[in-house]
Amino acid sequence: RKEVEQDPGPFNVPEGATVAFNCTYSNSASQSFFWYRQDCRKEPKLLMSVYSSGNEDGRFTAQLNRASQYISLLIRDSKLSDSATYLCVSSGGTSYGKLTFGQGTILTVHP
Amino acid sequence: EAGVTQFPSHSVIEKGQTVTLRCDPISGHDNLYWYRRVMGKEIKFLLHFVKESKQDESGMPNNRFLAERTGGTYSTLKVQPAELEDSGVYFCASSPRTGGGYTFGSGTRLTVV
Repeated sequence: RKEVEQDPGPFNVPEGATVAFNCTYSNSASQSFFWYRQDCRKEPKLLMSVYSSGNEDGRFTAQLNRASQYISLLIRDSKLSDSATYLCVSSGGTSYGKLTFGQGTILTVHP
Repeated sequence: EAGVTQFPSHSVIEKGQTVTLRCDPISGHDNLYWYRRVMGKEIKFLLHFVKESKQDESGMPNNRFLAERTGGTYSTLKVQPAELEDSGVYFCASSPRTGGGYTFGSGTRLTVV
């Protein structure tokens, strides 16, 4: 079983739609969680950190449920520029600093 | 501020040859990481340097891979001899000693034929 699991998609949504991605993790010792964005043939870039209290950054809302070991990302009012692969990432536990990636969820926003 | 720089951006080599990848982290970043993405799979951790010391090399696939970070500055990752399954994108990342602020390089796309 993968340590971080995501639905690979692809998700194809029209501009303006709301889309939600989910992720589960198996290592209960993981301490920090993130959503990264990766454009085609580019490096991963941090989108946002994820906290148990939930956090919002503009159109993006992330949520962590430690009891269920579940992480979510909600994108409201999708833009064409949101098209990318979204990576669910955990960190911490026994290996400080090491990031553990999910396989990524592909999002395509169309006109 | 210059970002994390990786060289080369692409490399195509024959099976059995040797390839050396280089990573220049952000100046002053003590932590340096190597990751790899094989086609169709998730990005996976290879190893972690703190300055010149290997903190964690649990992700290194086998002894054909050798990573060094002389003087705690740039790092090299050598694959010798390369096999077909080594093909993928190798990412380097760095972060400050206090943690956080992870920055990835643009990666080296390695193709072994």
